[in-house]
Amino acid sequence: EAEVAQSPRYKITEKSQAVAFWCDPISGHATLYWYRQILGQGPELLVQFQDESVVDDSQLPKDRFSAERLKGVDSTLKIQPAELGDSAMYLCASSLVSGYTEAFFGQGTRLTVV
Amino acid sequence: GDSVTQMEGPVTLSEEAFLTINCTYTATGYPSLFWYVQYPGEGLQLLLKATKADDKGSNKGFEATYRKETTSFHLEKGSVQVSDSAVYFCALSPSHNNAGNMLTFGGGTRLMVKP
Repeated sequence: EAEVAQSPRYKITEKSQAVAFWCDPISGHATLYWYRQILGQGPELLVQFQDESVVDDSQLPKDRFSAERLKGVDSTLKIQPAELGDSAMYLCASSLVSGYTEAFFGQGTRLTVV
Repeated sequence: GDSVTQMEGPVTLSEEAFLTINCTYTATGYPSLFWYVQYPGEGLQLLLKATKADDKGSNKGFEATYRKETTSFHLEKGSVQVSDSAVYFCALSPSHNNAGNMLTFGGGTRLMVKP
């Protein structure tokens, strides 16, 4: 069964260091999302891509976060420099474009900033 | 802006008990509504959905009805099992989003089912 792949599953980094997460969506899914889920809360959208273009990054802290999807397939989310408050689960999801279709989530990357 | 409110947990039930998790939303137009489930250490899985008023979504014994008049989408199950223990998230997708299905989530409700 096709699934959204994310790596790494877990990442521990020191404050002020750079960290990157990778996501490979389900083949053929043009829409890709990055969500951040703080422990005990629901996921919040950081950025949405349609193919290689950013559709919505209004909630992305652009002073330290960046996201790219250069070829419209896999995507990378970067944080530089990491802060203690960035500790969270980072979830990637993908979906087909037309109309409403289900968003499929990866297993996430658990980031701990120390 | 759009928002989703769900009852706070944890909800602790005995096996075979009846489950209700309340969810209400605020949104313009006619959003689509969803329940996602998250098992420990895992990502989210779609449990059920409803895309218009009075629709009932159902899956694995769970069901929820889209109530436009009360802006609600409460999750129910007649007889829970230990394996249903997880965190449940109510979510909506705005009707005006033409570029995909960006989701707004509630805070989640942890369900614990005891044998």
